[in-house]
Amino acid sequence: GAVVSQHPSWVICKSGTSVKIECRSLDFQATTMFWYRQFPKKSLMLMATSNEGSKATYEQGVEKDKFLINHASLTLSTLTVTSAHPEDSSFYICSAKTSGVYNEQFFGPGTRLTVL
Amino acid sequence: AQSVTQPDIHITVSEGASLELRCNYSYGATPYLFWYVQSPGQGLQLLLKYFSGDTLVQGIKGFEAEFKRSQSSFNLRKPSVHWSDAAEYFCAVGRNTPLVFGKGTRLSVIA
Repeated sequence: GAVVSQHPSWVICKSGTSVKIECRSLDFQATTMFWYRQFPKKSLMLMATSNEGSKATYEQGVEKDKFLINHASLTLSTLTVTSAHPEDSSFYICSAKTSGVYNEQFFGPGTRLTVL
Repeated sequence: AQSVTQPDIHITVSEGASLELRCNYSYGATPYLFWYVQSPGQGLQLLLKYFSGDTLVQGIKGFEAEFKRSQSSFNLRKPSVHWSDAAEYFCAVGRNTPLVFGKGTRLSVIA
């Protein structure tokens, strides 16, 4: 149990276009989902926290107008990279958390974004 | 502020040798602690976690970790490393907040 999927697993796009990444909890309801960005050989950087039905909370330095997050249901959150540029190329990972007592997050397999 | 320090950026061990990856944390309350493993181009897989109780926790793939409150540490151990254990390992801390990750330790395994 506790499986999180991401789609697509990798995407290549042209500069200036927008890309949507989906994060789904397959067998549980996720009241909270997180979006992370990981640069090569680096740790995970938390971008934002999204709670179902409410606006996402962005970390300092993350442009909310560039990285649009929607958490429309208890099993789906989406991250849209708007007007992508080469510097947005990265590995994006989502995680999902249940409403249980313990703060256990389940991670998706990640999405590799390359902007040409 | 919460923080996690993994002092070793890269460790190389021989196959069959024992392994210990260090993790120190700074947290204002009793922490929840996690170890994750990441293979190249993949997401994170949970190895083990500590919430409360027995300070020695067992995880998957033969890994274990010991929570030492006095040392603010949560070191990961494995008695005999396999070549398939080569990966990046992340320690993380968090309770009712988003997890804070260490910078990771890359493990290389040689024959």
